[in-house]
Amino acid sequence: KAGVTQTPRYLIKTRGQQVTLSCSPISGHRSVSWYQQTPGQGLQFLFEYFSETQRNKGNFPGRFSGRQFSNSRSEMNVSTLELGDSALYLCASSLNRGRTDTQYFGPGTRLTVL
Amino acid sequence: GNSVTQMEGPVTLSEEAFLTINCTYTATGYPSLFWYVQYPGEGLQLLLKATKADDKGSNKGFEATYRKETTSFHLEKGSVQVSDSAVYFCALTTGQGGKLIFGQGTELSVKP
Repeated sequence: KAGVTQTPRYLIKTRGQQVTLSCSPISGHRSVSWYQQTPGQGLQFLFEYFSETQRNKGNFPGRFSGRQFSNSRSEMNVSTLELGDSALYLCASSLNRGRTDTQYFGPGTRLTVL
Repeated sequence: GNSVTQMEGPVTLSEEAFLTINCTYTATGYPSLFWYVQYPGEGLQLLLKATKADDKGSNKGFEATYRKETTSFHLEKGSVQVSDSAVYFCALTTGQGGKLIFGQGTELSVKP
């Protein structure tokens, strides 16, 4: 079974631009979560989607948004990019959203904001 | 709130040495506990997990036991290899839908 895929793998943008990242979950998985990884803040939860609805949200500004499609694929969007948005963005999928469900991660998208 | 604390790195060991990476947690409710590993330039890979007290997760020679009384989930391996060099993350979820809470990560470097 194919793993979680993320596109693109690398992105370079300038301040003020917006960016869209894409995530395809493992086939059959219905929950998709997004995380931001930076050297200073570590791994932080952005949001989670299940059945095309955002079910949980981390402590990030409204510039960060996402959506999920009927095939469970997900996108996240960052508008008005800031230098501090430079990070590795990781997507994870799980079968459901229960306490014992395991999240499987993709390789990430490395975003650099200049 | 919920949180995970890991021992600070980097940890440098010689090949075949014994590894322990400490992890303690604070959680409301009954968490599931995970160890993930990240190799350079890659995403996170699940190493092992435990979902209830006294469960032992194991994989590739790594082990960790869910200790509710000490709120700990320490990672151990009896004999490390150079290929184990990576960053290790302890994490928990309490079933608040898709939200994993991670420790700060521990970098392990194994020298031949």
